[in-house]
Amino acid sequence: QSVLTQPPSVSGAPGQRVTISCTGTSSNIGAGYDVHWYQQLPGTAPKLLIYEDTNRPSGVPDRFSGSKSGTSASLAITGLQTEDEADYYCQSYDSSLSLWMFGGGTTLTVL
Amino acid sequence: QVQLQQWGAGLLKPSETLSLTCAVYGGSFSGYSWNWIRQPPGKGLEWIGEINHSGITNSNPSLKSRVTMSVDTSKNQFSLNLTSVTAADTAMYYCARALTVRRMLRGVLTRQGRFDPWGQGTLVTVSS
Repeated sequence: QSVLTQPPSVSGAPGQRVTISCTGTSSNIGAGYDVHWYQQLPGTAPKLLIYEDTNRPSGVPDRFSGSKSGTSASLAITGLQTEDEADYYCQSYDSSLSLWMFGGGTTLTVL
Repeated sequence: QVQLQQWGAGLLKPSETLSLTCAVYGGSFSGYSWNWIRQPPGKGLEWIGEINHSGITNSNPSLKSRVTMSVDTSKNQFSLNLTSVTAADTAMYYCARALTVRRMLRGVLTRQGRFDPWGQGTLVTVSS
């Protein structure tokens, strides 16, 4: 069980907006550590999607956005497309465990 | 554009040693940390450890006693050895570069990092 908690699955219709939450504790997100998000398409390696809470790497569409407040972070995807079907992971650092860690992952289904 | 390419044995017996190597192409080897991350079938991601160009390492406490990492700066390569494997070590293993920054948080200097890019992954199966 990961210290960073994500919902196992979310779904939405094409064109809709979905959000994926990542809930941590006072020793990771709540302590101010950056949250990063990764997209893992089926059968591929994870790819950096959002870094330092809110920033998009070059080439990532602005349909993807990140936010953080308190001990939680969120990934929002607007204008859902079928190619967004993937697993999404949040990542941060935990100071009490002294390691970089990932959320358990969320599977996005585009209906 | 930095690319990571990895290789290693894909089928091991219990108690054997897992060995993987990752080569870095198209970018600087110094100034970053080089990481191993694994993903059991159908499960989430677990950080294994990191090494920098000077050979300084840091590992997940849960694996530290079995993990050895090394670096060959002449070839821009880094390697992972995981000893005494069991079926629980069956996973896709990824290498990844970490982009790290140092930032003050509530008066404490912290090191924060994200993983980008990743290698293609190597499936390692442990079975008798």
